[in-house]
Amino acid sequence: NAGVTQTPKFRVLKTGQSMTLLCAQDMNHEYMYWYRQDPGMGLRLIHYSVGEGTTAKGEVPDGYNVSRLKKQNFLLGLESAAPSQTSVYFCASSFSGSGYTFGSGTRLTVV
Amino acid sequence: GEDVEQSLFLSVREGDSSVINCTYTDSSSTYLYWYKQEPGAGLQLLTYIFSNMDMKQDQRLTVLLNKKDKHLSLRIADTQTGDSAIYFCADQNRDDKIIFGKGTRLHILP
Repeated sequence: NAGVTQTPKFRVLKTGQSMTLLCAQDMNHEYMYWYRQDPGMGLRLIHYSVGEGTTAKGEVPDGYNVSRLKKQNFLLGLESAAPSQTSVYFCASSFSGSGYTFGSGTRLTVV
Repeated sequence: GEDVEQSLFLSVREGDSSVINCTYTDSSSTYLYWYKQEPGAGLQLLTYIFSNMDMKQDQRLTVLLNKKDKHLSLRIADTQTGDSAIYFCADQNRDDKIIFGKGTRLHILP
């Protein structure tokens, strides 16, 4: 099925560990986004990309890095995980910035 | 900066209509969206309305837009238990940036 696929779905990290979240879309969308969702905070934009090879900071970029080496993939990296990064992470993609398609999320716990 | 506000909770009896309200501050909106998030899932686009429209109806869903007051509402007729979810209002501006509200949790009473 066409859509946005996120891996992994769940992960537990120890403080200081690193990891990469993968987002893949097969809709040939130009725009891709990483959000985090926390109770009472809604969705907050971490980083986004408007095309292959481009990335830009969103509302809460600190502690995260991203790469968009291929159009269909958008990677979110945590170099040194902190408990404050415990959250549910959503990837989304869109064509020309309209009508986002979301992945099903990655639930990350940092202990 | 631009902001989208919505109430956090709404309780409705099964079979009644649900009305979820949203206000936004952006003067250059192009599209306004309603997304639905079921437990443990991502956001799913429910419906949208162009900023030059006043109303859009799609089966049990009715979207009303008051541009003057910058007020958007989503009415769900004959609310069912499957409508229990978090509903997000979102505003897209001319720069193609989408701002999301914090979501309204709809609880269905038997």
